[in-house]
Amino acid sequence: RKEVEQDPGPFNVPEGATVAFNCTYSNSASQSFFWYRQDCRKEPKLLMSVYSSGNEDGRFTAQLNRASQYISLLIRDSKLSDSATYLCAVDSSNTGKLIFGQGTTLQVKP
Amino acid sequence: DVKVTQSSRYLVKRTGEKVFLECVQDMDHENMFWYRQDPGLGLRLIYFSYDVKMKEKGDIPEGYSVSREKKERFSLILESASTNQTSMYLCASSLLASGRRYFGPGTRLTVT
Repeated sequence: RKEVEQDPGPFNVPEGATVAFNCTYSNSASQSFFWYRQDCRKEPKLLMSVYSSGNEDGRFTAQLNRASQYISLLIRDSKLSDSATYLCAVDSSNTGKLIFGQGTTLQVKP
Repeated sequence: DVKVTQSSRYLVKRTGEKVFLECVQDMDHENMFWYRQDPGLGLRLIYFSYDVKMKEKGDIPEGYSVSREKKERFSLILESASTNQTSMYLCASSLLASGRRYFGPGTRLTVT
């Protein structure tokens, strides 16, 4: 089993839709969690950190479920510009060494 | 803004050549990382460094070495390039205790 797993998709949604991605992790001792966004042929960039209490940034909400060992990313009112690959990242042993998921591709259609 | 630069965006090398990939960051970050990214496999850590002259193996170090002689510069070396090292190589940096990675634009290496 991979340490960090994501459904690669693609998720094809119409503009305005709400879409959610999950990312499961295997190490119950993990402490830090992140969502990165990667546009086609570009480098990944931090979208948001995931806090235990959950956090929201505009249309984006990130949550952590420690009991089931997954993090989620919810995007409301999808825009065409949200089309990208979303990578989750987990600090597998609080060493600062992040493990990345393979990414989930989102395509928002007009 | 943090800037991470990589020496080349595209590189084509022949099998058996020695290849140097250079990475420079301008924010005085302690940590630097080299990843490769392949379809279906995601980002995989090759090597990382917490300090000058320090290096640690990542998940796939075989066939690679690194050098960090100055804090701002981290080099990835392919001693004898092979076709299975054809990939996108991404350099990143971060503060010592931070999970936030700042990535360079990547080098797409093709080994023929």
